[in-house]
Amino acid sequence: EAGVAQSPRYKIIEKRQSVAFWCNPISGHATLYWYQQILGQGPKLLIQFQNNGVVDDSQLPKDRFSAERLKGVDSTLKIQPAKLEDSAVYLCASSLGNQETQYFGPGTRLLVL
Amino acid sequence: RKEVEQDPGPFNVPEGATVAFNCTYSNSASQSFFWYRQDCRKEPKLLMSVYSSGNEDGRFTAQLNRASQYISLLIRDSKLSDSATYLCVVRRSNQGGKLIFGQGTELSVKP
Repeated sequence: EAGVAQSPRYKIIEKRQSVAFWCNPISGHATLYWYQQILGQGPKLLIQFQNNGVVDDSQLPKDRFSAERLKGVDSTLKIQPAKLEDSAVYLCASSLGNQETQYFGPGTRLLVL
Repeated sequence: RKEVEQDPGPFNVPEGATVAFNCTYSNSASQSFFWYRQDCRKEPKLLMSVYSSGNEDGRFTAQLNRASQYISLLIRDSKLSDSATYLCVVRRSNQGGKLIFGQGTELSVKP
């Protein structure tokens, strides 16, 4: 069974530039999550989708971050404009339902210079 | 105060040693508890769920004390391949499955 796919795997940008990440969850998984993991810390949830609806975006910095899952399958996360403190690994995870095991993708490693 | 707190380590142990990781959580609404493992530059993967009665999976034993809001993970007979960061994770009953991660405890098993 294919796992959660993410791209790109690495991205280097300058501050104030824009960047977008893509995630394709495991087939049939209704719930999709975006986490931010800063070096030395555990992942922190940014946004959770149930199909194409947002369940929780309480920790998403909405002035610069946006995410969508228009058709209830794959998802994009965008940062515009990026700040130095956005340097982190952005992990996408999916699960059958919101109480089921979450499976993580390999992540996108972002460096903002 | 962080909602889930772990000793960040690192723990450096010889092969064959027994090592214990501790974790505390502050929100009594926490419903489910897990240990995830994260290898260097890789994604987190579920190691085991933690049940009130305690549970064991081979060399790994997890314990939960709801009264003390304390979770532990014991690794017996450590192997070189156990070297990783171990993340303590809780899920609240009232937040749609959201996982709250501790900062992780790094383990390095040496020959």
